[in-house]
Amino acid sequence: GAGVSQTPSNKVTEKGKYVELRCDPISGHTALYWYRQSLGQGPEFLIYFQGTGAADDSGLPNDRFFAVRPEGSVSTLKIQRTERGDSAVYLCASRYSGTGGEQYFGPGTRLTVT
Amino acid sequence: AQRVTQPEKLLSVFKGAPVELKCNYSYSGSPELFWYVQYSRQRLQLLLRHISRESIKGFTADLNKGETSFHLKKPFAQEEDSAMYYCALRVNRDDKIIFGKGTRLHILP
Repeated sequence: GAGVSQTPSNKVTEKGKYVELRCDPISGHTALYWYRQSLGQGPEFLIYFQGTGAADDSGLPNDRFFAVRPEGSVSTLKIQRTERGDSAVYLCASRYSGTGGEQYFGPGTRLTVT
Repeated sequence: AQRVTQPEKLLSVFKGAPVELKCNYSYSGSPELFWYVQYSRQRLQLLLRHISRESIKGFTADLNKGETSFHLKKPFAQEEDSAMYYCALRVNRDDKIIFGKGTRLHILP
């Protein structure tokens, strides 16, 4: 079946602009995670949704970052007033509702802020 | 705070030689430990988890709570093992995963 998909695959934007990154989880997966991977680092947690609600947003670096999942499926990560330090690969993962299940990762969106 | 440490950024091993990728973690309780792998131009995928106690693609990893380690081992390296490997932990079953910085494994012909 189809895996987690993310769009766009690459995004180049100018400093100060607003961007939206989209994640389509595996059908039926109620848990959805966003991670950010900077160059030379492992993925770092940003936010976790269970259904429509954010169960844990402790990884969001500041209030320029926001994420939504209005219908409990597709999620959008929104970044306002982008900064060069936001440049990274943004990864999305989804997991079936059963606890302890494997997180399946998408291919990521590479964001470059110039 | 929970942390995962992978001391080697790059590990080069000859084909047929044994492989050991080191991983240490800090957490006072009993976390769930994982190894993830990312092959060139592919997405991040789970390789193995300590609770399964299984061998995947010839790789094994044993959780040593006394040394807080979860090293990944394979007795005979193959060229297709070349990839980026991430050690990771999860504190509870619904929670986020905390990743190490990764080790690039390069298998030499």
